[in-house]
Amino acid sequence: DAKTTQPPSMDCAEGRAANLPCNHSTISGNEYVYWYRQIHSQGPQYIIHGLKNNETNEMASLIITEDRKSSTLILPHATLRDTAVYYCIVRVDPNDYKLSFGAGTTVTVRA
Amino acid sequence: DAGITQSPRHKVTETGTPVTLRCHQTENHRYMYWYRQDPGHGLRLIHYSYGVKDTDKGEVSDGYSVSRSKTEDFLLTLESATSSQTSVYFCAISEPASRETQYFGPGTRLLVL
Repeated sequence: DAKTTQPPSMDCAEGRAANLPCNHSTISGNEYVYWYRQIHSQGPQYIIHGLKNNETNEMASLIITEDRKSSTLILPHATLRDTAVYYCIVRVDPNDYKLSFGAGTTVTVRA
Repeated sequence: DAGITQSPRHKVTETGTPVTLRCHQTENHRYMYWYRQDPGHGLRLIHYSYGVKDTDKGEVSDGYSVSRSKTEDFLLTLESATSSQTSVYFCAISEPASRETQYFGPGTRLLVL
């Protein structure tokens, strides 16, 4: 099973870019990397996903290394509202309907 | 934001009483899910539905039942609530082509006394 490793916490200054790393060294060739976040007292929120090319949307950018063993989620201009727990998820079983959230990274954006 | 609402948003009930939580979506997504979230356990899947009247169990389904008579509604019933079912319950939706891209509702906080 592909598993992910994330740092437990990180701080970021408001207005600066936040770079969130994720290691997934056992990822297989057809598995996507997904990022979610959960702001306190809210439901999880889908951010972005990718296979091997870098991806960008209105929320963030996802950079996946060429060997696909790690990725970085980039919040280009962090705001206080980006304070949340961020989860990196790799799809493990195509017949498994659940999302397996690990402990994630608690990101605190400071003014 | 995806059009997902959950009701009630907060509920206090007593042990042994039945409780029904409702998830309503306006996105016409085929798949719907019920999760619970507890400290130290993260999100755990209770039941899911892959179409009207098509449901299956997740990893923590004991003590829960579900029904889906319409595309837009997915009901979760605690047949006889216990204190261990005190939790925050989240509903989610997705499309078959991308089951991992799930959109979550705001959650229901349930306290069983």
